[in-house]
Amino acid sequence: DQQVKQNSPSLSVQEGRISILNCDYTNSMFDYFLWYKKYPAEGPTFLISISSIKDKNEDGRFTVFLNKSAKHLSLHIVPSQPGDSAVYFCAASWSNAGNMLTFGGGTRLMVKP
Amino acid sequence: IAGITQAPTSQILAAGRRMTLRCTQDMRHNAMYWYRQDLGLGLRLIHYSNTAGTTGKGEVPDGYSVSRANTDDFPLTLASAVPSQTSVYFCASSYRVNTEAFFGQGTRLTVV
Repeated sequence: DQQVKQNSPSLSVQEGRISILNCDYTNSMFDYFLWYKKYPAEGPTFLISISSIKDKNEDGRFTVFLNKSAKHLSLHIVPSQPGDSAVYFCAASWSNAGNMLTFGGGTRLMVKP
Repeated sequence: IAGITQAPTSQILAAGRRMTLRCTQDMRHNAMYWYRQDLGLGLRLIHYSNTAGTTGKGEVPDGYSVSRANTDDFPLTLASAVPSQTSVYFCASSYRVNTEAFFGQGTRLTVV
């Protein structure tokens, strides 16, 4: 039973438009959420995070939104660039479990020039 | 350059053989982790260590063991490899709770 789910395995977006990647979770104990980006043959790299005490965190072109009542978070990329093409993983953790991350299955984003 | 180093980068291994994947970090992070990545399943935690001298089981620990003799090193051992252990393995570390984890470049393991 996956506690973190990314229901869209792939997403294709035109350059300059908005990319919206979605993630749902089931464990209400999660209090910290992260997005990672992964290029082929490389390890995941941290992108942006959000604590459960917030509902939005912004860093340049990247914004993460958290809806705790719906157990849903999303990553918005505006404007999308071809270099953003990668696999994006959402992850969640809770304080009492150390920093062990539970990952979603990933969404492959393709940004077309 | 500070970070996490994994070795080897790839390996083809005969079933039944023993294999140790190496992981070293130079960031003095307290916690270290081993994940495996399989298509559609994301990354799943195999074992973790919150501090040197302690280890714990993650979501998919069977067939794997770890040790944490010091802060920097966290090797993962497959005692007797099976084909279902074919995967990409990532080592990661983090400084403290609710901070991001940093990942190595991965080890692609094929068990035949």
